[in-house]
Amino acid sequence: DAMVIQNPRYQVTQFGKPVTLSCSQTLNHNVMYWYQQKSSQAPKLLFHYYDKDFNNEADTPDNFQSRRPNTSFCFLDIRSPGLGDAAMYLCATSGWDRGEQPQHFGDGTRLSIL
Amino acid sequence: QQQVKQSPQSLIVQKGGISIINCAYENTAFDYFPWYQQFPGKGPALLIAIRPDVSEKKEGRFTISFNKSAKQFSLHIMDSQPGDSATYFCAPSEAAGNKLTFGGGTRVLVKP
Repeated sequence: DAMVIQNPRYQVTQFGKPVTLSCSQTLNHNVMYWYQQKSSQAPKLLFHYYDKDFNNEADTPDNFQSRRPNTSFCFLDIRSPGLGDAAMYLCATSGWDRGEQPQHFGDGTRLSIL
Repeated sequence: QQQVKQSPQSLIVQKGGISIINCAYENTAFDYFPWYQQFPGKGPALLIAIRPDVSEKKEGRFTISFNKSAKQFSLHIMDSQPGDSATYFCAPSEAAGNKLTFGGGTRVLVKP
């Protein structure tokens, strides 16, 4: 089945130690999104790629970076994780170039900071 | 500025009952009105969506009602089942950019 896959499902890192989360998709969608979701809250958009064009949300901390080497893969880099960065990180895709609007989400990576 | 207000925050309903969740928005540029369902440990999944040229859409036990003049839309879950216990988010978006604006979420518990 075509889908959005996030690895790993659970990630533990140390305070201040860089960490990378990955997302891959088999939907061939041109738009990819990264969200942060804290407990009992709605997902919060960090940034998205429209094809290769990177779009950062105004309130996304500089500590968060992203890379999209090709259509299928997208990475979230947290340069120096703080305790407040512990959350579920969700990747989503949408096929905007085909006029489709629904976003398809992966099951997330739960990040813990020690 | 909170653009999307969702209510209630939580809801308990008996099996077979009706769950109703409301969403009010401010941005008149929104033209796509989806509801997402999220189970614990999973990502949100599109449940049902409506466009502003339609006032109601039904898919199985799930119905969206849309009131453009009031800038509100709601989700009705008929014959609620324990398997419907989840968090529901409204997340309208504008035509351009496809960015979702999430409501705060409603945690629904269906008691057997």
